[in-house]
Amino acid sequence: QKEVEQNSGPLSVPEGAIASLNCTYSDRGSQSFFWYRQYSGKSPELIMSIYSNGDKEDGRFTAQLNKASQYVSLLIRDSQPSDSATYLCAVNPPAYNRLAFGKGNQVVVIP
Amino acid sequence: EAGVAQSPRYKIIEKRQSVAFWCNPISGHATLYWYQQILGQGPKLLIQFQNNGVVDDSQLPKDRFSAERLKGVDSTLKIQPAKLEDSAVYLCASSFDRNHWYFGPGTRLLVL
Repeated sequence: QKEVEQNSGPLSVPEGAIASLNCTYSDRGSQSFFWYRQYSGKSPELIMSIYSNGDKEDGRFTAQLNKASQYVSLLIRDSQPSDSATYLCAVNPPAYNRLAFGKGNQVVVIP
Repeated sequence: EAGVAQSPRYKIIEKRQSVAFWCNPISGHATLYWYQQILGQGPKLLIQFQNNGVVDDSQLPKDRFSAERLKGVDSTLKIQPAKLEDSAVYLCASSFDRNHWYFGPGTRLLVL
């Protein structure tokens, strides 16, 4: 079982719509969860971190965490062409001070 | 605050050649990581250092990859000999606690 799974394929959304990304993790003891954005040819850039159950909003981004279901999601409201990128879900497993990444989801915002 | 520095930014080599990458973490960050990111995949941890000691190298192909972090600061990752499947971006990251990681710009390796 992979530590972090992102199973959705590329996501195309029209400009102004909501993009929804999902991620599950295997280690129930994980406490820290992150969403990174990665533009083509660039290194990952942190956009959201979440540590407790519920929602966390930052501008147009909302991260949602459900520890009982071992599920993390990211919503991008009012999607803009500049949001076109790959979004990586990352988890900090409890036994290690490191990040485990999912494979990423490509988002394409269509003007 | 200066970020994580990596060099070179790009490298093209032929298979069976050797290559080395360098990373300078943010000053004061005790933990340093090397990740490999193959096109279309998420970053995969190769090795983690705490100061100059290895914490986790379980995913490092030790028959061809080696890494060191002398004096607990800079680090070097070496591949010898390189294979075609080593073509990837090699990301260095550093951290000072469990909730903050900082990534360098990466080194893009193409093995022909």
